[in-house]
Amino acid sequence: ETGVTQTPRHLVMGMTNKKSLKCEQHLGHNAMYWYKQSAKKPLELMFVYSLEERVENNSVPSRFSPECPNSSHLFLHLHTLQPEDSALYLCASSPTIDYDGYTFGSGTRLTVV
Amino acid sequence: LAKTTQPISMDSYEGQEVNITCSHNNIATNDYITWYQQFPSQGPRFIIQGYKTKVTNEVASLFIPADRKSSTLSLPRVSLSDTAVYYCLVGPRNTGGFKTIFGAGTRLFVKA
Repeated sequence: ETGVTQTPRHLVMGMTNKKSLKCEQHLGHNAMYWYKQSAKKPLELMFVYSLEERVENNSVPSRFSPECPNSSHLFLHLHTLQPEDSALYLCASSPTIDYDGYTFGSGTRLTVV
Repeated sequence: LAKTTQPISMDSYEGQEVNITCSHNNIATNDYITWYQQFPSQGPRFIIQGYKTKVTNEVASLFIPADRKSSTLSLPRVSLSDTAVYYCLVGPRNTGGFKTIFGAGTRLFVKA
């Protein structure tokens, strides 16, 4: 257990579905992140939150919608995804946005059919 | 952010010391060097971070020469469970929006 918990671990969804990924950390960290890892590609930063406010959005398509209701929880809402969105989605947290000692969750393996 | 270059893959045997070198010729004055380890279907795990000279923890050592244009992650006496992808990252801290860019990493295979 890394301290960052992601659910579900696996998700299969159709292109017309709406689903949400959940991330939870009880490390007392103030910053949380969503990363995407496609097969044979480096991790791509998607969203950054600091104290529940979004501070970074790397031109991610609007079919991905993040939500950070508090400093311990982060969601990624998914709708009308494409097959190329199939990937491992990783959540991470760090004490502050200025410190890069990230703690990652185990990820959600998403398959879009 | 400074670009990093690592070997794509490395092989080793159990009990050996493994050294993975990362090149970062364009490292900036305020950049730190961080290494992560990732097992299949898991998130990366922080291993070690340094700025200059040598840093050691219970897992690994990080050697950084004076010019800081490269760094070497040293894993003492590897075991089969050390088979993973190792990422070298270079970037500044205290930027109020720090962004970590992961490269392709080095895939380490430890054989019996």
